[in-house]
Amino acid sequence: AQTVTQSQPEMSVQEAETVTLSCTYDTSESDYYLFWYKQPPSRQMILVIRQEAYKQQNATENRFSVNFQKAAKSFSLKISDSQLGDAAMYFCAYRVPSGNTPLVFGKGTRLSVIA
Amino acid sequence: GAGVSQTPSNKVTEKGKYVELRCDPISGHTALYWYRQSLGQGPEFLIYFQGTGAADDSGLPNDRFFAVRPEGSVSTLKIQRTERGDSAVYLCASSPAGGSNYGYTFGSGTRLTVV
Repeated sequence: AQTVTQSQPEMSVQEAETVTLSCTYDTSESDYYLFWYKQPPSRQMILVIRQEAYKQQNATENRFSVNFQKAAKSFSLKISDSQLGDAAMYFCAYRVPSGNTPLVFGKGTRLSVIA
Repeated sequence: GAGVSQTPSNKVTEKGKYVELRCDPISGHTALYWYRQSLGQGPEFLIYFQGTGAADDSGLPNDRFFAVRPEGSVSTLKIQRTERGDSAVYLCASSPAGGSNYGYTFGSGTRLTVV
């Protein structure tokens, strides 16, 4: 079974600084998708960024970028120029591309942004 | 609708009672998922619908949990004889047909508290 591990229960960052959240996963599949979701106190899971495993280039969305290391099964999220609005729970998630298979989530990392 | 709508936002019930949680997905999204998020955990998959049928219900913890989607749109998650361990946030998500390349759109969840 696929598993997703987030080893940092909590992280903090100064406003305008950069922070990296870690994620590792276990799978025997060669093709899959990886995601980072943000969950603010409103509880709604918001997609931050996604990566297809067959693409070597790391995904980037504005201040958010990933470091995808397929051989190491590692998928970290870097947030640059951190803003107060970035404070939230962040979840790493995995899925295989066949059909509409469900997402498998990690336990999350709570990010605090210090003004 | 414009987003995934879940009602009620919060529900408090007594142990042993029956509850229904409603999810109204994005119009046209054929895939619908239910997840359960316990305190301090990531969301855990419960059940997935493709249209009206449950394509995968392997995440339902026991036979007290049941879900329906009779017209392929709104879904209801039903919990019989509630237990204190059922207390959690129940999240619903939807995605288009063949949406393996998409992240899902989540609702804001229903926080269920069993007292």
